[in-house]
Amino acid sequence: AQKITQTQPGMFVQEKEAVTLDCTYDTSDPSYGLFWYKQPSSGEMIFLIYQGSYDQQNATEGRYSLNFQKARKSANLVISASQLGDSAMYFCAMREGPSNAGKSTFGDGTTLTVKP
Amino acid sequence: GAVVSQHPSWVICKSGTSVKIECRSLDFQATTMFWYRQFPKQSLMLMATSNEGSKATYEQGVEKDKFLINHASLTLSTLTVTSAHPEDSSFYICSALPSSYNEQFFGPGTRLTVL
Repeated sequence: AQKITQTQPGMFVQEKEAVTLDCTYDTSDPSYGLFWYKQPSSGEMIFLIYQGSYDQQNATEGRYSLNFQKARKSANLVISASQLGDSAMYFCAMREGPSNAGKSTFGDGTTLTVKP
Repeated sequence: GAVVSQHPSWVICKSGTSVKIECRSLDFQATTMFWYRQFPKQSLMLMATSNEGSKATYEQGVEKDKFLINHASLTLSTLTVTSAHPEDSSFYICSALPSSYNEQFFGPGTRLTVL
């Protein structure tokens, strides 16, 4: 079974609207970290937001927030007030184990297009 | 945030030649670096975990003798694609894990084209 599942290959959103990118994960490890990265057409991977499995509150970073539903094993990314520059590929990733030296598993990604 | 550089940013080589890609952590020390490969519109595929001062740990299906990884210092890891063939053409990305951060920081990537 895939460890990280992103079910939306492509998403469209109108500028200034909010959009939710889905991510579900599968792990039996009680300690894990969840990440979202943005990859524009230039190819660089840009870290957006992190959620630890023991964090009580949902992570937020500016216009990005992570809707963490532990029982459902979902970690959806919410982008508020979309901008044209948000058009990119978005990857959800998970690192298992308590150590932050572990490797991460990435989902297949979602291509987001923001319409003017 | 921490900065990771990669060199070269793109390279074109002839089939049969070897290509070396460097990954440097510029403002922190990284005992662990990761090498990924990415095909267009696809996800990142982890190739290997590079550990300073020891042998790299390769993922299943990745040829150790073809993709040589050296992590000789706390700020530098290199990936050498030996005897490159057209099917090795891809986008190669490295990342480094500072000890004080939760997230890994990525280099800008290297686009390899083998003719």
